[in-house]
Formats: sequence, C-alpha cells, structure tokens
Amino acid sequence: DQQVKQNSPSLSVQEGRISILNCDYTNSMFDYFLWYKKYPAEGPTFLISISSIKDKNEDGRFTVFLNKSAKHLSLHIVPSQPGDSAVYFCAASAMINDYKLSFGAGTTVTVRA
Amino acid sequence: DAGVIQSPRHEVTEMGQEVTLRCKPISGHDYLFWYRQTMMRGLELLIYFNNNVPIDDSGMPEDRFSAKMPNASFSTLKIQPSEPRDSAVYFCASRTGRSYGYTFGSGTRLTVV
Repeated sequence: DQQVKQNSPSLSVQEGRISILNCDYTNSMFDYFLWYKKYPAEGPTFLISISSIKDKNEDGRFTVFLNKSAKHLSLHIVPSQPGDSAVYFCAASAMINDYKLSFGAGTTVTVRA
Repeated sequence: DAGVIQSPRHEVTEMGQEVTLRCKPISGHDYLFWYRQTMMRGLELLIYFNNNVPIDDSGMPEDRFSAKMPNASFSTLKIQPSEPRDSAVYFCASRTGRSYGYTFGSGTRLTVV
C-alpha cells in the first residue's frame, strides 16, 4: 500500500523554465516531508524538506509547498538547468513511526537545452 | 567521511544461488535501512535496524530474504535462493536518531538470470 504517490513518472522541461513536481500522501500522521534527487548509478541525495507546521520552504532555486488539507506537496525548480535532469523522489515521515521514510515511485525530470 | 559504503556495486547471479549484499554505515549513525528500488514501486523499505537490533522487517518480501547487523559498522542482506524477480537496485542508508534525513549508499544493482 503506497502511502506516498507521485503520479507523473516523467517530466520534460526546457532550460530556464519552471519544473513542477507533484506528490500526494494518504497518511495524516506524516509530519515531515523531503525531496531526494537521484542521478544514474548513484544513491539518492537529500534536496529539500519541509515540516508539517510550514506551508513553504525555499532554498535557492528549489521551493517546496505543502497543502496539508489536500495532503499534497509540490517541488518547484526555477529556473531549470540541465544539471537538474535526474529522478526526484518525494518522501514522508512520521515521528510516531520512528521517522521511517516512505517514498514515492519517483519522477524523472529531463531538462532540454 | 566516506559516506555509506555498499558492496558489490553490481552482482549478476544465476537463479537459485545465494546472494549477499554488504553495507557499512556512517560512523556514529545508529539507524540503518535497507531499501529496494523498482520501476513500479520506487523505493521500498525492506528492513531497518536501530543500534544493531532489527526493528521492523515487515517489508522483507519473503523468507528467502534475511538481514543481519552483527555490529555498528556492518550489515548484510542475504537472498537465498535468488529468483529473477529479485533483480533490482538495493540501497543501504543510515542516519542518526536525531535527524530525519538519511544518507544513502550508491546501491548494489542485482541481476538474477
């Protein structure tokens, strides 16, 4: 039973434009959300996170938005760069669940020059 | 800090053979996780340890899978006998108890023919 869902397996965007990645979750106990980025033949690396007490967190070109009522979060990348081409995983965690991370299936982003 | 170290990077084995994947977590990290990445389900948690003790193995697919952590610096994931459907990338990750973020290894790509 997937508690974290990324319904778009892939996204293609032109360099310089905005990339928007979406993620939905079902477990209302999740209190912390993260995005990981993964290049081929490497492990996922932490990108950005947001606590459930916030609705927005920004770090340079990356912004994560959280809508708790809709159980939805999104990652915005502005502007998109060729080096952003990777697989992006959405993850969620609950303190009462020992902070285990539940991941979505991932979205492959391709930034076209 | 060398990060989370996994070995081997690639493993090709014949159906029915035993396979052992190895992981060295980051020193000082008291949690260790084994994940499996597949196209359909993304990153699935198989099992995790806290202070070398298995806490939750509900994600282990079946009795053919077993994991051990004999000390704080080493863990193994064993599949016996292996089957073609076990082909995937297996990741090990570690973290401290005070952090939501995990550090992943580079993964082991397992191919069972």
